[in-house]
Amino acid sequence: TQLLEQSPQFLSIQEGENLTVYCNSSSVFSSLQWYRQEPGEGPVLLVTVVTGGEVKKLKRLTFQFGDARKDSSLHITAAQPGDTGLYLCAGVWPLGTDKLIFGTGTRLQVFP
Amino acid sequence: DSGVTQTPKHLITATGQRVTLRCSPRSGDLSVYWYQQSLDQGLQFLIHYYNGEERAKGNILERFSAQQFPDLHSELNLSSLELGDSALYFCASSASRDTEKLFFGSGTQLSVL
Repeated sequence: TQLLEQSPQFLSIQEGENLTVYCNSSSVFSSLQWYRQEPGEGPVLLVTVVTGGEVKKLKRLTFQFGDARKDSSLHITAAQPGDTGLYLCAGVWPLGTDKLIFGTGTRLQVFP
Repeated sequence: DSGVTQTPKHLITATGQRVTLRCSPRSGDLSVYWYQQSLDQGLQFLIHYYNGEERAKGNILERFSAQQFPDLHSELNLSSLELGDSALYFCASSASRDTEKLFFGSGTQLSVL
């Protein structure tokens, strides 16, 4: 069982639709990061959420950290084909170590 | 371009063999992380080095070893290769000891036949 579970595993939508990706854990994290990985490339950091309840916006992407710091969500408004990729959440576990572990991933495909 | 260079990009080898994957971090970055990515296991943390010292270890097999050299480049050695070792191996670097922001290379695709 993975410590960071993401849902859905796969998402296939049309351009212009909205979507939400979830990252859940039974453990508390000091912060969570979101990465996007495109085919043939390594993950690229999108955002880090640090405070429980925090909401961060990056253009059409909205990230939220749960109040209890056990979960996070990524909402994309009006998805575009350029949003296609693998979305990964990540957090340091165990707390106080240097181990950045990644979630199970959500593979998003946006069709024109 | 993340500034992290991994070589080779592709590697095809046979079971039982040994290979070395190389990573050059971004200029000035002291931390190097190695990850393994496979379809069934996702992105798995292997090991972290900071300024030449091992800082954290994940579920890295005993057949695997790594080191970070004085010039800060790192190598991941995989020996007695098995079919199940086929995966994408990523290196990432960061400026500091913590995991605030990792920059990933493009990976080495290892195929064990």
